[in-house]
Amino acid sequence: SYELTQPPSVSVSPGQTARITCSGDALPKQYVYWYQQKPGQAPVVIIYKDNERPSGISERISGSSSGTTVTLTLSGVQAEDEADYYCQSADSSGTHWVFGGGTKLTVL
Amino acid sequence: QVQLVESGGGVVQPGRSLRLSCAASGFIFNNYGMHWVRQAPGKGLEWVAGIWYDGSNKYYTDSVKGRFTISRDNSKNTLYVQMNSLRVEDTAVYYCVRVHGEYNFFDCWGQGTLVTVSS
Repeated sequence: SYELTQPPSVSVSPGQTARITCSGDALPKQYVYWYQQKPGQAPVVIIYKDNERPSGISERISGSSSGTTVTLTLSGVQAEDEADYYCQSADSSGTHWVFGGGTKLTVL
Repeated sequence: QVQLVESGGGVVQPGRSLRLSCAASGFIFNNYGMHWVRQAPGKGLEWVAGIWYDGSNKYYTDSVKGRFTISRDNSKNTLYVQMNSLRVEDTAVYYCVRVHGEYNFFDCWGQGTLVTVSS
């Protein structure tokens, strides 16, 4: 089955850089998308097509990919970045969609 | 503005049925694929089911195949999911989501409706 693996948690101090990884065997062939979810709110897409940023999303947020791993990078982390982050992809036929298990970002 | 509003959630006993609805507005509904995504309390996101813009193709995650049916009425701008033989593990907030017109991601989410399966 198609699976994406994320670390359960990442912690950084304010102003530092947070990196959240997402791994999957099919990732070299499929795009990955990243969502941010704050408590009590619906998720919001923050990166699409591995590294594209939707309008209105902070330039401090970026994405990259290498082989079977994609990475979400948040530079100059602020308290407002504390949230759950999910990667998502779909198979080439668009019939099977999957989320990673999610990563809780804690700003110390 | 683009809006998705879910309804139909509630408390239901195991083995019973429930139908969720999602009213769409602010965009041309029959141009977009639509899906359901759920989130169990304190857990991560789980893709549930999807349907093409015209309803001609539907797909499901393995755990709901044969129990859930996704459908849409483009004349009413409404998405549905019929959930039968509900299990305790189906307890979750169910989100109605729109698929981006060009890429395979969800660019618009409803506020979610809570389904609780409990005896």
